[in-house]
Amino acid sequence: DTGVSQDPRHKITKRGQNVTFRCDPISEHNRLYWYRQTLGQGPEFLTYFQNEAQLEKSRLLSDRFSAERPKGSFSTLEIQRTEQGDSAMYLCASSSRGYGYTFGSGTRLTVV
Amino acid sequence: QQQVKQSPQSLIVQKGGISIINCAYENTAFDYFPWYQQFPGKGPALLIAIRPDVSEKKEGRFTISFNKSAKQFSLHIMDSQPGDSATYFCAASMEKGGGSNYKLTFGKGTLLTVNP
Repeated sequence: DTGVSQDPRHKITKRGQNVTFRCDPISEHNRLYWYRQTLGQGPEFLTYFQNEAQLEKSRLLSDRFSAERPKGSFSTLEIQRTEQGDSAMYLCASSSRGYGYTFGSGTRLTVV
Repeated sequence: QQQVKQSPQSLIVQKGGISIINCAYENTAFDYFPWYQQFPGKGPALLIAIRPDVSEKKEGRFTISFNKSAKQFSLHIMDSQPGDSATYFCAASMEKGGGSNYKLTFGKGTLLTVNP
């Protein structure tokens, strides 16, 4: 068990480009979450999967954002036509029950 | 609308001292209140959590005090050590009526510095 892995750790992209992040949860965890954290703020909920089903999306998740979890294993978060306001740390977390979250170390996105 | 308000933004204490961080919440439906610790370049890690049916929970040097009527809870770190220097976040969630998704609403964080 190596914890929750996120890739890449850092991403610098030009405004308007598309980016995709990957999260590999702890293998036996069926619940997977994406949060966004900006500088000086706490993490904000983006979306939640139970197995492969996306059960909730925050209003923060605009049409430019899409998340998938094929086969209930790893998950991807894609941002299309990136904007400077998308610059943030994107955190993935997984759990097998209730509130026992384990967070990954995040992907830091910088849009220039 | 900020549902969980955390203070102070930053805190400096001496080694061996007591660190106290406070949070207030608005939504009375919240029924789970965790504290997370985050080091630079890492994701948040769960420290300790409490449910509103108890007023205090202690785990080692970390204690949560909970005041349901005031809608406030606080983290106390006893015998603070330089290794405790990190950002601390309070959070809240509603298990019942929340669709059982266990999503968390976080405060803005407190940067704790413990001087040797």
